[in-house]
Amino acid sequence: DTGVSQNPRHKITKRGQNVTFRCDPISEHNRLYWYRQTLGQGPEFLTYFQNEAQLEKSRLLSDRFSAERPKGSFSTLEIQRTEQGDSAMYLCASSRGTVRQETQYFGPGTRLLVL
Amino acid sequence: DQQVKQNSPSLSVQEGRISILNCDYTNSMFDYFLWYKKYPAEGPTFLISISSIKDKNEDGRFTVFLNKSAKHLSLHIVPSQPGDSAVYFCAASNNYGQNFVFGPGTRLSVLP
Repeated sequence: DTGVSQNPRHKITKRGQNVTFRCDPISEHNRLYWYRQTLGQGPEFLTYFQNEAQLEKSRLLSDRFSAERPKGSFSTLEIQRTEQGDSAMYLCASSRGTVRQETQYFGPGTRLLVL
Repeated sequence: DQQVKQNSPSLSVQEGRISILNCDYTNSMFDYFLWYKKYPAEGPTFLISISSIKDKNEDGRFTVFLNKSAKHLSLHIVPSQPGDSAVYFCAASNNYGQNFVFGPGTRLSVLP
């Protein structure tokens, strides 16, 4: 399967703990995106990378959140000092990055529950 | 401020009939629109897209219509099948950003 993969699929943590999620995009996709989805809402943009460069960050991405894509391949999203409001589905998507109007392909998501 | 709206949280349709899902947007800079389908415990799956230079795009049973003056688009599914039962998200992007803005979704139930 050559789709977008995300690990872990589920994460339960206690408030105040740090968590890290991983996303492996489709091979040769230059752009990688992180979104957050809460119940009853559509995905909300968090940040995106063009290769290893982080080009845009949403105001939703507080200073407790950090994302990296060190070699332009996989990406990690870390949340420090988790809060109950961080409970959500975290989605990763990728696209080729060759033209402006492109389809983004999503992974299955990581569901985070902060107790 | 919700830039992409899907005012019907849910829709039920009989198998074989047409499903029409609607989406409205407020940002006139949006120029690329997509529909995604989402099953429980899975990520959104791309369905169909349309550029603002077109007013219609068709792919098999799925057709998307864009009315730029009304800032409205719709997805038609004909004929509807039980396997189409899912949450459908409308998404839009503009000249200046690569991220998509999603609507809240419409849950479609196709009844056998």
